Amino acid sequence: DAKTTQPNSMESNEEEPVHLPCNHSTISGTDYIHWYRQLPSQGPEYVIHGLTSNVNNRMASLAIAEDRKSSTLILHRATLRDAAVYYCILRDPNQGAQKLVFGQGTRLTINP
Amino acid sequence: NAGVTQTPKFRILKIGQSMTLQCTQDMNHNYMYWYRQDPGMGLKLIYYSVGAGITDKGEVPNGYNVSRSTTEDFPLRLELAAPSQTSVYFCASSYDRGFTGELFFGEGSRLTVL
Repeated sequence: DAKTTQPNSMESNEEEPVHLPCNHSTISGTDYIHWYRQLPSQGPEYVIHGLTSNVNNRMASLAIAEDRKSSTLILHRATLRDAAVYYCILRDPNQGAQKLVFGQGTRLTINP
Repeated sequence: NAGVTQTPKFRILKIGQSMTLQCTQDMNHNYMYWYRQDPGMGLKLIYYSVGAGITDKGEVPNGYNVSRSTTEDFPLRLELAAPSQTSVYFCASSYDRGFTGELFFGEGSRLTVL
């Protein structure tokens, strides 16, 4: 399975944009890039996903490099509630979610 | 919508005791999963099910058993609890495979084995 690499931790300030990087140099042509986040003492929650084009939703934006070997999750205006562990995961649409690998993710700290 | 509901939220067991973690979902999802998360680590898949009557092992199944008699319920049984099973357990469900089959997680069950 293709793997992802994320920084262990990042820190940002409230009301500033946050760019969370993810490297996935061995991504296959059919893998989707999914992001989940886990707030303290909660289960993970889905954030966003994409294949090739940049994607936006109410929570975040996902910028995908042209060669698809990296991507960036963008929180446009971080709040304290965005402090969480963010997981970047590759998803083969032909396989079930049991193949998803939740690594250690990036722990995001937001300073007031 | 209740989503994915897990009980109990907290439990302390003595070594050798057994218990069942309950998980139910009201979204009519056919896929369900059990994960464990040790402190500071990612999630590891214990067992999963692709539909009622069908279960399969994940990455770390030893010491656990599951059953799936209905679409809604997916209990996880711990037999002969050991300190190594101290962890937070998450149940999840999804509609189907495919790129849009996002996982929905419960709030977790924190288990301590002493």
